[in-house]
Amino acid sequence: SQQGEEDPQALSIQEGENATMNCSYKTSINNLQWYRQNSGRGLVHLILIRSNEREKHSGRLRVTLDTSKKSSSLLITASRAADTASYFCATAFAGSARQLTFGSGTQLTVLP
Amino acid sequence: SQTIHQWPATLVQPVGSPLSLECTVEGTSNPNLYWYRQAAGRGLQLLFYSVGIGQISSEVPQNLSASRPQDRQFILSSKKLLLSDSGFYLCAWTGPSYNEQFFGPGTRLTVL
Repeated sequence: SQQGEEDPQALSIQEGENATMNCSYKTSINNLQWYRQNSGRGLVHLILIRSNEREKHSGRLRVTLDTSKKSSSLLITASRAADTASYFCATAFAGSARQLTFGSGTQLTVLP
Repeated sequence: SQTIHQWPATLVQPVGSPLSLECTVEGTSNPNLYWYRQAAGRGLQLLFYSVGIGQISSEVPQNLSASRPQDRQFILSSKKLLLSDSGFYLCAWTGPSYNEQFFGPGTRLTVL
C-alpha cells in the first residue's frame, strides 16, 4: 500500500504543551499535506510541503519533511483545547499529483 | 469566495435501496472533484475523481458510481445499497495546480 501512516494513533496532552505527530510513506512524492478534522466534520487543509522543501512554518504549526526517510512530522506548539481534533497526512505521489492518499490519522486530545 | 456544499447531511437507508448524494461547488470553474469514504476512526478512501464534465475515474471497484452532469456538480449513486456502504462520505475539490483540497461538510450514511 502507498498509504501514509501516522504515529501515534492517539495523543493526549495538557494545554500549553507541544504536540508532535509523525507520518511515514512508501513511494516518491510530489508534496505532502496535513489536514485537520473536527469530529463529524469535513477536513481542513493546514499546510503543504513540497518534496524539495525540508521545513515549513505556519503560525503555531511546524512541518518537517525527510524524503530520505520518507517521513514527515507535524509540530503544534503551545497547544490549546481548541486544537483537539484528528490530524491526517496526505501524500501526492510523484507520478500522480491529481490524487492524495491519506493516512489513518492521529487523534489529538488537548486537556484544559 | 469558493464554497462546497453536500447534501443531505445525514441519511438512513435500508439495504437494497438506491442512493444519491450530491455535491456542488460555487465560486470556481472547472474544479477537480473527488468523492471519499471514511469509516469510523479511519482515514479517507478515494472512491472517484473527475477532471471535467462526464470524466470519471474510479479508484475502488464497488457497487457505487459517480457522475458529473455539470461543471460544478458531482453525484455519488448506488442502485442497491449494502451494509458495508455505511460511512461518512466527503466531497472535495481542487484547482488546476492540484495543491490543497477543499472539503465539504460530509454526509453520514447509515445502511440498516
